[in-house]
Amino acid sequence: QKEVEQDPGPLSVPEGAIVSLNCTYSNSAFQYFMWYRQYSRKGPELLMYTYSSGNKEDGRFTAQVDKSSKYISLFIRDSQPSDSATYLCAMLTGFQKLVFGTGTRLLVSP
Amino acid sequence: KAGVTQTPRYLIKTRGQQVTLSCSPISGHRSVSWYQQTPGQGLQFLFEYFSETQRNKGNFPGRFSGRQFSNSRSEMNVSTLELGDSALYLCASSPRDTLAGGLREQYFGPGTRLTVT
Repeated sequence: QKEVEQDPGPLSVPEGAIVSLNCTYSNSAFQYFMWYRQYSRKGPELLMYTYSSGNKEDGRFTAQVDKSSKYISLFIRDSQPSDSATYLCAMLTGFQKLVFGTGTRLLVSP
Repeated sequence: KAGVTQTPRYLIKTRGQQVTLSCSPISGHRSVSWYQQTPGQGLQFLFEYFSETQRNKGNFPGRFSGRQFSNSRSEMNVSTLELGDSALYLCASSPRDTLAGGLREQYFGPGTRLTVT
């Protein structure tokens, strides 16, 4: 079993929809939770990171962490075609062990 | 500010050969990390350098090695290439010291696409 699981998708939604992207994990030592966006033929781009449980908002993006369920989410409001990309979750322990999910491909149609 | 640059962008090598990839971090960033990305395994951490010292290492064989220079530029070397080494190799830099959470705030380059035949 992988330490971090992420549905590969693709997830197809119409423009303007609210998108929910999720990861589950098994290692309770993870403390920091990151979301990256990766466009085709580009490197990943950090969207946001959160520490421990709770919510964090940045513009149209909201990251949510539920440590009791070992579940994290990224919500995208008012999705745009330019949001079409692969979204990667990543998790970091206090001892600097870093693990990425395999990514979810998102397609937003006009 | 210029972003992270990686050279070359594409590379084709033969099994058994060795390869060296180069990464120039964002100006002022002293932490550099390397990753391997494949469709099956996703993004996997190779190693991280800060101020010319390897601070962190992933679970890769000794054929994978790296180094960082005094100007923070970094190189990654893979010896005795295998077909399974075909991947996108990504470099990332961070403004934070490793021990101050450098791995949680990283800026990636475009990667080097390595094909081993």
